[in-house]
This record gives sequence, C-alpha cells and structure tokens, in this order.
Amino acid sequence: GAGVSQSPSNKVTEKGKDVELRCDPISGHTALYWYRQSLGQGLEFLIYFQGNSAPDKSGLPSDRFSAERTGGSVSTLTIQRTQQEDSAVYLCASSLVTSLNEKLFFGSGTQLSVL
Amino acid sequence: AQKITQTQPGMFVQEKEAVTLDCTYDTSDPSYGLFWYKQPSSGEMIFLIYQGSYDQQNATEGRYSLNFQKARKSANLVISASQLGDSAMYFCAMRENTNAGKSTFGDGTTLTVKP
Repeated sequence: GAGVSQSPSNKVTEKGKDVELRCDPISGHTALYWYRQSLGQGLEFLIYFQGNSAPDKSGLPSDRFSAERTGGSVSTLTIQRTQQEDSAVYLCASSLVTSLNEKLFFGSGTQLSVL
Repeated sequence: AQKITQTQPGMFVQEKEAVTLDCTYDTSDPSYGLFWYKQPSSGEMIFLIYQGSYDQQNATEGRYSLNFQKARKSANLVISASQLGDSAMYFCAMRENTNAGKSTFGDGTTLTVKP
C-alpha cells in the first residue's frame, strides 16, 4: 500500500505476556519512528531509526521495551512482560529523511490493551 | 518545562466560522520547525501545515494558516470557514535542529464544529 501500515490494529493481552507490534513504512522512507499515545493524551516519543545509523532509544520507558528495524524497512516494537500501564495506542510514522521540515506520515496505530 | 503547550483541551466553533487553536513552545535552539497535525476519530494523524523558525512569512495551506509569533514563541493554527469534517483532535509539534529525529507533541486540542 501507499501508506504506513501497522499490525495488528488491536491487541489484547494478559499482564506478563510479551507482545510484538509491526510497522511497515512507506517505501523509500529512511526514517521510522515509534510513539505512544495514552487515552486522550499527546504523543510520547519512544524511538526512531534513521537509515543505518544507531537508533535513538532515548524515549523507551524501560528495558522491557525494544525495537528493531530489519533491512531498513519493517520495524517491530517488542514489549516484554507487559504491564497494565503499557495499555495505549502505539503509533508508527515514517519520513523521507530526518530534517527539520520533513512531515511525518503516520499509520493507524495498534491499540494495546493489557488485562 | 513542557516544550509544547496547548492550553485548550476542547474548543467549539460554529460551521463556516474561523477558529484559532493555540500553541506555545519552548526551545533554546535557534533552528526548529513547527507542525500541526489533525487526528480524526479514525486515529490516523494527518499533516496540516509547517512553519520553519527562519521563515519570514506565516505558512498557509488552503483553509489552514499558521500565526507565527517568534518573539512570543507561539504558533497558533487558524482554520477558516470551519466544516463539520474539521471536528478532530489537533496537535502542535516541534522539531529542533539539535535532534531533528525527535518530534515533540503537545497534548492536543479537541475541536468540535457545530452545524
């Protein structure tokens, strides 16, 4: 497709389980970003990838969170031993490059519910 | 201190009227970019408008314009001739040159257009 694709759109899991969220960016976009949005709140930066450079992981809230980007394209955000406070919408975005004037293209998000 | 502040959690506007959504920002970086995004109930964030810190003129995109007051560090979004489809959440965001990969978002303003 032409846009950023995220899967699954919804994920319900039990506390303590691991989850994987997938993001397929727009073809040709070198930059990929993960954000978290809690109910009715703004976006919290998690991590971004730019080309082959080391990712900026400064927003990951704990070591239970990790992300990788394979082949400069698809990215997976993994949350280990999920907690109820991890419940949120996880948004992925991509852009051509990371420069000041580059707008972000967002996916529709993954709604994660931890019971 | 919050880098992006949106002081209006919710706003109402009558159809066909203009509305201003407020955004103030905080940065010591002389080079930065300011963005507005729209998030309808469907969840997918959509880019609306961009303003660079060195741009001399206020940005405009169709019915959207950005009232950029650099000395006051404000970047208010003006929507003219509101339409029912403008009902959504609106986010102000900033990219700083020192870390262009990391966009910072405000908490958003929910706009409701009344018929």
